[in-house]
Amino acid sequence: GENVEQHPSTLSVQEGDSAVIKCTYSDSASNYFPWYKQELGKRPQLIIDIRSNVGEKKDQRIAVTLNKTAKHFSLHITETQPEDSAVYFCAAKAAGNKLTFGGGTRVLVKP
Amino acid sequence: DVKVTQSSRYLVKRTGEKVFLECVQDMDHENMFWYRQDPGLGLRLIYFSYDVKMKEKGDIPEGYSVSREKKERFSLILESASTNQTSMYLCASRGHEGYLQPQHFGDGTRLSIL
Repeated sequence: GENVEQHPSTLSVQEGDSAVIKCTYSDSASNYFPWYKQELGKRPQLIIDIRSNVGEKKDQRIAVTLNKTAKHFSLHITETQPEDSAVYFCAAKAAGNKLTFGGGTRVLVKP
Repeated sequence: DVKVTQSSRYLVKRTGEKVFLECVQDMDHENMFWYRQDPGLGLRLIYFSYDVKMKEKGDIPEGYSVSREKKERFSLILESASTNQTSMYLCASRGHEGYLQPQHFGDGTRLSIL
């Protein structure tokens, strides 16, 4: 089955700097890659997703890139703000109905 | 806006008890999922269901079962609770408009088995 690895597990950045989280996946048939943000004590919420026919997608300060050949995708947050502090999860969907999630990255934005 | 509601935010049970976790969604979604969340392990799929009375095992089904008698409700059952089942449990749902749709999560149930 699909295996998703996520790095780093923790990330501390200064407010205003950029943050990058990287994920690799194992199943070349995976075609959908969402990113979820989970604030402390709250539910995971989708922040951006990308499909395999697209190499990059951007939404304001967040962007996701996908390299199908290398089987990795990344989340980029620019101009980080304290409210970006959260746990971020990447996921990949191969054949079938289920998502496989990475282990999560705890991001701390220091004011 | 999609609403996924889990019946309890916090639950404390004893070893050997039969435990029921309930999840209800209000968007007529075909697909429903149960995950457990543990630090460093991300979200691991326990079971999912793509239709009423249909279920499929996820990655870690041992010690769990599920029930989906109505489309809007998906129950997770711990047949005989053990301490290693202490965790955060998250329910999610997703519609059938193509498979490339996001999942919507509930607030989670933090379950402690003593």
